[in-house]
Amino acid sequence: DADVTQTPRNRITKTGKRIMLECSQTKGHDRMYWYRQDPGLGLRLIYYSFDVKDINKGEISDGYSVSRQAQAKFSLSLESAIPNQTALYFCATSGAGSRDLSLDTQYFGPGTRLTVL
Amino acid sequence: KQEVTQIPAALSVPEGENLVLNCSFTDSAIYNLQWFRQDPGKGLTSLLLIQSSQREQTSGRLNASLDKSSGRSTLYIAASQPGDSATYLCAVKGNQAGTALIFGKGTTLSVSS
Repeated sequence: DADVTQTPRNRITKTGKRIMLECSQTKGHDRMYWYRQDPGLGLRLIYYSFDVKDINKGEISDGYSVSRQAQAKFSLSLESAIPNQTALYFCATSGAGSRDLSLDTQYFGPGTRLTVL
Repeated sequence: KQEVTQIPAALSVPEGENLVLNCSFTDSAIYNLQWFRQDPGKGLTSLLLIQSSQREQTSGRLNASLDKSSGRSTLYIAASQPGDSATYLCAVKGNQAGTALIFGKGTTLSVSS
């Protein structure tokens, strides 16, 4: 089984709808991240969480919210989806057992392809 | 603000060639640098991680170097194969944004047989 899973894998929705993307991990990591990827823009950080009580905005958090329901679960919500939120969304995790940040490797889920019409 | 640049954006080579992908970053205060591979429509697979105190890392036909003072890294692929065709992403972990990764836009490699 995959260490980092994302659901759904594909989603088509309409402008104005609320949508939630979910991420679960079995790696025992403390840190979790949400990124979006757009052609020509690369991956950009939306939100990150260092533990259940720690949530932080990334570079492009406007229009998004997150919830860290447990150490293993981190969900991303679009309260009112708009077409320019059409993108590939990735969840990532890091930080199992090492305090040395130079050894901290990120592990990515398979991605969710979201289309907002 | 940390910025990561990858050159070239795309590269086409015949099978068997050795090649180098380049990555540069503007802030040398990094914890590590990672190289990832991404196949079309797929997730990211970590290839190599170089700690800030290291100069290079090797895995099979891949060798990554890091010159932190000049803000540069290279990924060397030896004896390229068609299966190496993918987008290669460079990312740095610094002390911005809670040490989340800052990514370059990638180099798309095509290896023809």
